[in-house]
Amino acid sequence: DAKTTQPPSMDCAEGRAANLPCNHSTISGNEYVYWYRQIHSQGPQYIIHGLKNNETNEMASLIITEDRKSSTLILPHATLRDTAVYYCIVNQGGKLIFGQGTELSVKP
Amino acid sequence: DVKVTQSSRYLVKRTGEKVFLECVQDMDHENMFWYRQDPGLGLRLIYFSYDVKMKEKGDIPEGYSVSREKKERFSLILESASTNQTSMYLCASTLFQGNYGYTFGSGTRLTVV
Repeated sequence: DAKTTQPPSMDCAEGRAANLPCNHSTISGNEYVYWYRQIHSQGPQYIIHGLKNNETNEMASLIITEDRKSSTLILPHATLRDTAVYYCIVNQGGKLIFGQGTELSVKP
Repeated sequence: DVKVTQSSRYLVKRTGEKVFLECVQDMDHENMFWYRQDPGLGLRLIYFSYDVKMKEKGDIPEGYSVSREKKERFSLILESASTNQTSMYLCASTLFQGNYGYTFGSGTRLTVV
């Protein structure tokens, strides 16, 4: 099963870009990478997902390396409300298997 | 927007009670999932279902069962609640098997005393 590795915590200044890395070196060719975030006491919220190409939506950008062994989630202008735990997940046959995630703290 | 509604936000039950956690989604999603979340252990998959009357075990099914009689409703059942089942329970749904975003409910915090 593909696993992901993320730093346990990161800080980011308000208004700056937050770049959250993820390693998924055992990912298979047809497995997508998903990013979710969870704000305290709420259910996880979908952010973005991708397979090979870089993706962008209204929330974030996802950069996937050419060998697909790692990816970076970019929040272009972090706000205090972006403080949350961010999960990088590989979709394994329709199931999302969560790791420990990165706790992002956005500071004024 | 898709909504996944969990019937209770907080629940307190006694050891040995039979507990039902209900989850309803309103966008005709085929796939539904139950997770539990504990500090230091993250989210762990208990059971999932790809269709009505269909169920599959996740990573930690012991002590739980599920029911999917209607497409929109997925129930998690604790046959005889125990204190080690005190946890946050999260339900999720997605359109169909494949690569689509999951929508999660707000969670039910269950305490077994």
